[in-house]
Amino acid sequence: GQNIDQPTEMTATEGAIVQINCTYQTSGFNGLFWYQQHAGEAPTFLSYNVLDGLEEKGRFSSFLSRSKGYSYLLLKELQMKDSASYLCAVGDSNYQLIWGAGTKLIIKP
Amino acid sequence: IAGITQAPTSQILAAGRRMTLRCTQDMRHNAMYWYRQDLGLGLRLIHYSNTAGTTGKGEVPDGYSVSRANTDDFPLTLASAVPSQTSVYFCASSDLTEPNVLTFGAGSRLTVL
Repeated sequence: GQNIDQPTEMTATEGAIVQINCTYQTSGFNGLFWYQQHAGEAPTFLSYNVLDGLEEKGRFSSFLSRSKGYSYLLLKELQMKDSASYLCAVGDSNYQLIWGAGTKLIIKP
Repeated sequence: IAGITQAPTSQILAAGRRMTLRCTQDMRHNAMYWYRQDLGLGLRLIHYSNTAGTTGKGEVPDGYSVSRANTDDFPLTLASAVPSQTSVYFCASSDLTEPNVLTFGAGSRLTVL
């Protein structure tokens, strides 16, 4: 079957670093995607990885290991506005996204 | 219009009624999607369309239908609503050159009583 696992909730402190993990088992692989969703709003695209390694985008970085079925999203210099849910998704063999349930990130001052 | 517009924003509906959720995009994206989002679950694909005139079934298509008469519009119809269809519905679109980079509408919150 197809499965994507990520922690339900995480808490971090403003200014700190947090790593949100995602593991997956899917039929086919066409990229690992991260989206951000603020409460009551629509998801917005953050980043994606197709090849193994680290992709850096400002304060956000995403890592992929295809052999381990593992990815993480790293958020540095946390700001209060980073409080949101972070959705991990995998592109399957039909280029459709399979979504994890999301990780709610709570930032404390 | 900028991006994707969904309507209505919110609706309370009696069970058994017919309901159409509207979705319009102005980005000339080829592909469009309808998802539902329920607490504790990931986004689940209801129906999709890779180009005008074609549609396909997603993970949870039962009780829903769609049409794609043109590039911009992708309405979702519930023929006879049931309480289990209470959810937040998101319309999304993407360009086929980057099919998994989705732009989402603001969502339609539907409550079926």
